[in-house]
Amino acid sequence: NAGVTQTPKFRVLKTGQSMTLLCAQDMNHEYMYWYRQDPGMGLRLIHYSVGEGTTAKGEVPDGYNVSRLKKQNFLLGLESAAPSQTSVYFCASRTWTGEKLFFGSGTQLSVL
Amino acid sequence: KQEVTQIPAALSVPEGENLVLNCSFTDSAIYNLQWFRQDPGKGLTSLLLIQSSQREQTSGRLNASLDKSSGRSTLYIAASQPGDSATYLCAVRYTGTASKLTFGTGTRLQVTL
Repeated sequence: NAGVTQTPKFRVLKTGQSMTLLCAQDMNHEYMYWYRQDPGMGLRLIHYSVGEGTTAKGEVPDGYNVSRLKKQNFLLGLESAAPSQTSVYFCASRTWTGEKLFFGSGTQLSVL
Repeated sequence: KQEVTQIPAALSVPEGENLVLNCSFTDSAIYNLQWFRQDPGKGLTSLLLIQSSQREQTSGRLNASLDKSSGRSTLYIAASQPGDSATYLCAVRYTGTASKLTFGTGTRLQVTL
């Protein structure tokens, strides 16, 4: 039982490049989330999903897109990376009724 | 604005001490509050979850309390150990915010030998 797995763990992009971060969970959780963590700012919600085929915006969605084609996977896309998107990205999941969040180990992204 | 604040940002204590970490929130209309632990380079691990109707939760050497009227939560760690060294974050789910958690910036704890 791997829990929440994020790939890749590290990535360096040039400004304007695109990439996709993958989050996979094997706990059959309905809710999935993408957060970013920046020094001194706490974790901020980018997008989330309440089930397969659904997505919703969080507090900092600009510059990101997401998809949830399968219940176990939640993809975060950057179409044209900017230096302001340099951050550590975390995926999390939980059940429909449970409030406890399960986090992945993060992806450290640098945009030069 | 609904915010969560954790003070101090860093704390160092000798092994064996009992300690208290603080979390304050600006709106008493909360659904629940959750304490997390984050080790360097790792994700967050949920430690304790307190529903708005509860006053405290306990797990082993950890005890979390909630006082909605004063907008405060504390995480009490008994008999601290070097293995407790980590960053501790609290997160509030405010009423009516659906899935959104508001996180504090955390307290970085170091327990020294």
